[in-house]
Amino acid sequence: NAGVTQTPKFRVLKTGQSMTLLCAQDMNHEYMYWYRQDPGMGLRLIHYSVGEGTTAKGEVPDGYNVSRLKKQNFLLGLESAAPSQTSVYFCASSLGQGASKNIQYFGAGTRLSVL
Amino acid sequence: GDSVTQMEGPVTLSEEAFLTINCTYTATGYPSLFWYVQYPGEGLQLLLKATKADDKGSNKGFEATYRKETTSFHLEKGSVQVSDSAVYFCALHQYNQGGKLIFGQGTELSVKP
Repeated sequence: NAGVTQTPKFRVLKTGQSMTLLCAQDMNHEYMYWYRQDPGMGLRLIHYSVGEGTTAKGEVPDGYNVSRLKKQNFLLGLESAAPSQTSVYFCASSLGQGASKNIQYFGAGTRLSVL
Repeated sequence: GDSVTQMEGPVTLSEEAFLTINCTYTATGYPSLFWYVQYPGEGLQLLLKATKADDKGSNKGFEATYRKETTSFHLEKGSVQVSDSAVYFCALHQYNQGGKLIFGQGTELSVKP
């Protein structure tokens, strides 16, 4: 029962470096999300996708890009990392938006430090 | 805009004590409400859910009732265990932005033997 898998689990970057976080789900979910978690702030939505080939901006999209070339994968990219992007990143997926479909399943997270 | 407010933590209880974590929300319409739990070093797991007014979600001894009149969704458990130590998040589903979840800030619970 893999569910939602995120790689890597930990990463340390220097300011200005780039990286890609990978999220994979095996539940055939249409919707996928990237959130960031900062102390005392809960989780905030960075980008989301409502299906293969689609992406859209969330609350805090600046400095990030995403791609969803395959239904099961959702990639989050940082082109030029900044210390303000130090955070824990969570990927989530769901079947859809209706009341019977809107449960989001989360990965274990990626802890990113930008020095 | 829509928002969720949780009681501040950390909350420290002795084993077998009664737990209440308060959650209130502001929203247009009647969104689905959730409680998620995050154990140390792990991702968020769904604890329970309610989709309409007066619905009661329950799981693993935890309960929460969707109260439209007071816009609340308080989490309760009659007798906590050490294994319940975690961070608890209240959240609501918003149809904007792909059905994102709006989270409270989280409440850390520590249960002592």
